[in-house]
Amino acid sequence: EPEVTQTPSHQVTQMGQEVILRCVPISNHLYFYWYRQILGQKVEFLVSFYNNEISEKSEIFDDQFSVERPDGSNFTLKIRSTKLEDSAMYFCASSEVRAGGHYEQYFGPGTRLTVT
Amino acid sequence: SQQGEEDPQALSIQEGENATMNCSYKTSINNLQWYRQNSGRGLVHLILIRSNEREKHSGRLRVTLDTSKKSSSLLITASRAADTASYFCATGALYNQGGKLIFGQGTELSVKP
Repeated sequence: EPEVTQTPSHQVTQMGQEVILRCVPISNHLYFYWYRQILGQKVEFLVSFYNNEISEKSEIFDDQFSVERPDGSNFTLKIRSTKLEDSAMYFCASSEVRAGGHYEQYFGPGTRLTVT
Repeated sequence: SQQGEEDPQALSIQEGENATMNCSYKTSINNLQWYRQNSGRGLVHLILIRSNEREKHSGRLRVTLDTSKKSSSLLITASRAADTASYFCATGALYNQGGKLIFGQGTELSVKP
């Protein structure tokens, strides 16, 4: 069964460094997403991406963050100048485009980002 | 803002019993989805119910949606130890906004063998 994959599974970085989190969405999906989950808190939407551009972003997704689909398979989240509060589990998800706007999203296993 | 809130926050039952989790939200939705998360792992999609549907079944799962009360419930029948996980409801926006989901805090289900 096709699945979303993410690398690395765990990333440790120092405050102020840049990190790139990578995702390979399910191949026939056209919508891609990033969410994050701070330990013990709810899953929060960061950004959605369709047709090579951002569809929607949350207030969390400020200039520190960027997304890119550098080729036909990868989808990346870049965090510039990381802060301690960026420590979280980052989930990538993808979905098909369905009529009526009903998107079942399939999540990857997550990348645990630890900023020290 | 639309928001799924689950209750109870934690539920502990014996294997074979049914587990019911509830979710409430604040604004109009296009759909509501339930996800499972095993400790420290990714989210697994369980079921999607559209705003014009009232009930949906998938195996041992039964989901109801009451849009007048802005609430949904997830029933797991004949629970198993393997059902132990956190369960989240997530609401999909009414208008096509790229399909973002708003998640609730989740219910932690513990099924004791």
